[in-house]
Amino acid sequence: AQSVTQLDSHVSVSEGTPVLLRCNYSSSYSPSLFWYVQHPNKGLQLLLKYTSAATLVKGINGFEAEFKKSETSFHLTKPSAHMSDAAEYFCVVSDPTFVDKLVFGAGTILRVKS
Amino acid sequence: NAGVTQTPKFQVLKTGQSMTLQCAQDMNHNSMYWYRQDPGMGLRLIYYSASEGTTDKGEVPNGYNVSRLNKREFSLRLESAAPSQTSVYFCASSEVRAWVNQPQHFGDGTRLSIL
Repeated sequence: AQSVTQLDSHVSVSEGTPVLLRCNYSSSYSPSLFWYVQHPNKGLQLLLKYTSAATLVKGINGFEAEFKKSETSFHLTKPSAHMSDAAEYFCVVSDPTFVDKLVFGAGTILRVKS
Repeated sequence: NAGVTQTPKFQVLKTGQSMTLQCAQDMNHNSMYWYRQDPGMGLRLIYYSASEGTTDKGEVPNGYNVSRLNKREFSLRLESAAPSQTSVYFCASSEVRAWVNQPQHFGDGTRLSIL
């Protein structure tokens, strides 16, 4: 069975500094991996997805993530944080054998200080 | 683009009352989903529908029923609401292609409180 662990429940950075949100996954097969962002009182918006093409995936708003099979990780990064990046971020994994089901991490709340 | 629309946005119920949450998507997606979101637990799948006319249980189906009314609409019903069902409920939809999971598109959620 697949699972995902987000290693930090809260991350705080200063505006203009790099962002790193960590995610480890467990999957029996080559997984599909996603990062979603949720702003307050809103639904989830897709940031980026990995589906066994390039291991470095670029998403919206300057975010990117690198798939590392040897480390079973899919960390989300951004070179320079903006105040508008403050939100909750979810790492999500799915197995190709369960094409209808996603498994969500518990979420990481990103705070951006001015 | 409307995407996924959920109604109502907020609701307060008393224990034992019933209610139906509505969801509609205009992206012609085959698959639709209902999740609940609780603090520190991410999203948990309640029910899903892979195509019109089919529904399946997810991780936490107890206390809920669903109806896939047509390709566009997927409703979630609480027959006898309990305080443990206080949560934020999200509907989502996606295309499904063999062996490759497509991203799910989410509504803005229904915030439900059971007193």
